[in-house]
Amino acid sequence: DTAVSQTPKYLVTQMGNDKSIKCEQNLGHDTMYWYKQDSKKFLKIMFSYNNKELIINETVPNRFSPKSPDKAHLNLHINSLELGDSAVYFCASSKLHEQFFGPGTRLTVL
Amino acid sequence: TQLLEQSPQFLSIQEGENLTVYCNSSSVFSSLQWYRQEPGEGPVLLVTVVTGGEVKKLKRLTFQFGDARKDSSLHITAAQTGDTGLYLCAALGAGSYQLTFGKGTKLSVIP
Repeated sequence: DTAVSQTPKYLVTQMGNDKSIKCEQNLGHDTMYWYKQDSKKFLKIMFSYNNKELIINETVPNRFSPKSPDKAHLNLHINSLELGDSAVYFCASSKLHEQFFGPGTRLTVL
Repeated sequence: TQLLEQSPQFLSIQEGENLTVYCNSSSVFSSLQWYRQEPGEGPVLLVTVVTGGEVKKLKRLTFQFGDARKDSSLHITAAQTGDTGLYLCAALGAGSYQLTFGKGTKLSVIP
């Protein structure tokens, strides 16, 4: 059974488009996260969401917005995609300090 | 922003050799974690160390947290090809549940 799942696995799109990545966790965790991993494999926190409290990394452009319909889901919506947004995006969840990561979504902006 | 420096960035060794990967910072952390990431997958937690000077063993992997809780090391004994992957250290600051990751060490174990 998948603990943290993301869809789609791959996403190829044109510059300027708007896209969403979905994330679901079935672990009953209270906190969910979005990370961006660049081509050099550097993993950087974008958002964390805990009990309706959203903490945003100040370097994240406001074209990125997380949306949480319920505790088990944290989706990532991206407006006006740019070439530099190409990366692998990971969703994660945690109860205490151990984080469980999804398989990642490879986003390619052409 | 807390910075975690990992070294070496790349490591290629023969099967059966020993190796050590380092994670250093000028900041003090409440806890430090090591993750392993394989291609096409998300990172998977290997260990969490909390107490300064703590040593934890996971089969052939030995993890150590520095006395001042600013640095950590991962030692692998008799490396196997299955150890190949990206090793990431990550730390939690005091009162925070957000992790800061190091840039990783890409390990290749050659048969």
